[in-house]
Formats: sequence, structure tokens, C-alpha cells
Amino acid sequence: RKEVEQDPGPFNVPEGATVAFNCTYSNSASQSFFWYRQDCRKEPKLLMSVYSSGNEDGRFTAQLNRASQYISLLIRDSKLSDSATYLCVVTRSYGGATNKLIFGTGTLLAVQP
Amino acid sequence: NAGVMQNPRHLVRRRGQEARLRCSPMKGHSHVYWYRQLPEEGLKFMVYLQKENIIDESGMPKERFSAEFPKEGPSILRIQQVVRGDSAAYFCASSPLVVPGGEQFFGPGTRLTVL
Repeated sequence: RKEVEQDPGPFNVPEGATVAFNCTYSNSASQSFFWYRQDCRKEPKLLMSVYSSGNEDGRFTAQLNRASQYISLLIRDSKLSDSATYLCVVTRSYGGATNKLIFGTGTLLAVQP
Repeated sequence: NAGVMQNPRHLVRRRGQEARLRCSPMKGHSHVYWYRQLPEEGLKFMVYLQKENIIDESGMPKERFSAEFPKEGPSILRIQQVVRGDSAAYFCASSPLVVPGGEQFFGPGTRLTVL
């Protein structure tokens, strides 16, 4: 079983739609949680950090449920430019010695005009 | 402030040759991470280095792969005797600190093709 699981999609949605991505992680020792975005053949870029209290950045809302080991991302009013692969990422730190990122395989979003 | 730089951006090697991938972290960053993204797969951690030290190499294949981050110059990921299965995108990331939740900044990647 992969440590971080995501629905690979693709999610094909019309412009203006609301779309939700889900992610589960298996290691309860995971400490930090992120959503990254990766455009085709480009490097991943941090979209937002995820907290138990939930956080919002414009059209994007992220939520963490530690009890269920579940992370979500909601995108409202989808734009064509939102088309990308969305990567769910967790980290574990061993006494501060490392902070490696553990990636899900990503969910592909295609926003249609 | 220039971002993380990687070169070459594209590298073609024949089976059995050596591949050297370079990564210059962002200015002021002393922590470097290498990740590999195989075709149709997610990114996987390979190694974490600080200047002159390998801190965590738990994701490195046991043979043919090595990494260094010398006191001066870029970090190098070296793959000896490449095989077709090494074809992938190799991304380097850097950070200024090692703190939980700290952001890592990624370079554009090196796409290695093994013929």
C-alpha cells in the first residue's frame, strides 16, 4: 500500500465548476501536509500548506483530518489555468534530522472551456 | 534571487555510460534534496544532503547511485553504468532550514533518457 494515496483522475470539469480532491496517508507519524501543483513536464510548486483548522487561499481551501488521516483540497470557480496535476504531500521528521517530502502520485485536473 | 538551478536540463546517455546531474541551491540554502519521477509515477525521495554531509540516503538505490554536496560548488547526483530503467526526471530541491513544515523549493529538473 502506498503511503500517500490519491485518485489519479483525470477530473474533467467545465470552467466555473467546483472540484474536490481527496488524499489519505497511512503513517500516523506524518507531521506536515501540503498540496503541490505540477504542470506538465515542470517542477512541482507549493500550492498551500494544510492545517487541521483548515486554510483558505482565494479559490482554494484545504483541510486536514488527523483522526481519519485524510486531506482534502477544494477548488472553486475553476479556471482553465487550474489544469495541472495536484500532488498530496506529507512529511515526517526524525528528530529534526530530515524533512523529506512523501508524494502521492497526483490527481490530474483538466478544466474545459 | 535566482531559484534552484539544475543542469543539464536534458541528458541522453547510452546504456553503460555515466550520468552526472548538477544542482545549485537557492542562495542561502544549505539543505539539498534529490527526488526522482519515473514515467507515470509520483516523485520519490532519494537523498538529503547538507554541505559535505549525506544526512539521509534511504531512497537511494543501493548500487550505481551516489550523491555529494561539496563545500564549494553544486550538489552532484551521479549514476554509473546507466540502464534504461534510470530514464526519469530528476528534481533537486533546497531549503534554508530543516523544520517541520518548511517549504522546499524545486529546480526545473533534469530529464535523463537512456538509450
